[in-house]
Amino acid sequence: DSGVTQTPKHLITATGQRVTLRCSPRSGDLSVYWYQQSLDQGLQFLIQYYNGEERAKGNILERFSAQQFPDLHSELNLSSLELGDSALYFCASSRTVDYNSPLHFGNGTRLTVT
Amino acid sequence: AQSVAQPEDQVNVAEGNPLTVKCTYSVSGNPYLFWYVQYPNRGLQFLLKYITGDNLVKGSYGFEAEFNKSQTSFHLKKPSALVSDSALYFCAVRAHSSNTGKLIFGQGTTLQVKP
Repeated sequence: DSGVTQTPKHLITATGQRVTLRCSPRSGDLSVYWYQQSLDQGLQFLIQYYNGEERAKGNILERFSAQQFPDLHSELNLSSLELGDSALYFCASSRTVDYNSPLHFGNGTRLTVT
Repeated sequence: AQSVAQPEDQVNVAEGNPLTVKCTYSVSGNPYLFWYVQYPNRGLQFLLKYITGDNLVKGSYGFEAEFNKSQTSFHLKKPSALVSDSALYFCAVRAHSSNTGKLIFGQGTTLQVKP
């Protein structure tokens, strides 16, 4: 068990809808990362927060947004969903942003858009 | 820009034989390299990392990886494969100059160990 908790495990929704994915990092970890895993794109970095502030942005669509709250949990909001947004969304956390610090991953949220 | 390549989509080995999963990287400056394993319906689990020092790094579950700066490679190895090692393996890189901590991942290699 990595200590990173993601909810829900599965989400099925229709095109055009909006969903929120939640992540609780490991105790003591200040940084949260969101990744999208799909068959054709592999594991893509979306966005990172460190101690409540956005730290890095990757291939995140404008329809997607995220935030990290004062208690350090994070939420990823996906809106105007399209079929192509169906994927496994992972949250990871690390203690710092130091190069020595590995990322610890949750078990992911599987999103299916129908 | 940083990138990682895993040239093999799948590696097949017989149980008890040595295994190698290949990874090459491209990064400006010194690289920090990681291997992760993903079992079905699970998140990625950290196996090992290279930061500096010895080129041969030992990690979890008997895995090791060899860093080769001249060939920009970081191949994952295990002397004797187990059926339970069958999983998806990811190589990842972080640039020394990175102040974000994010990892860039390769496309992944499926390891199939047959009894």
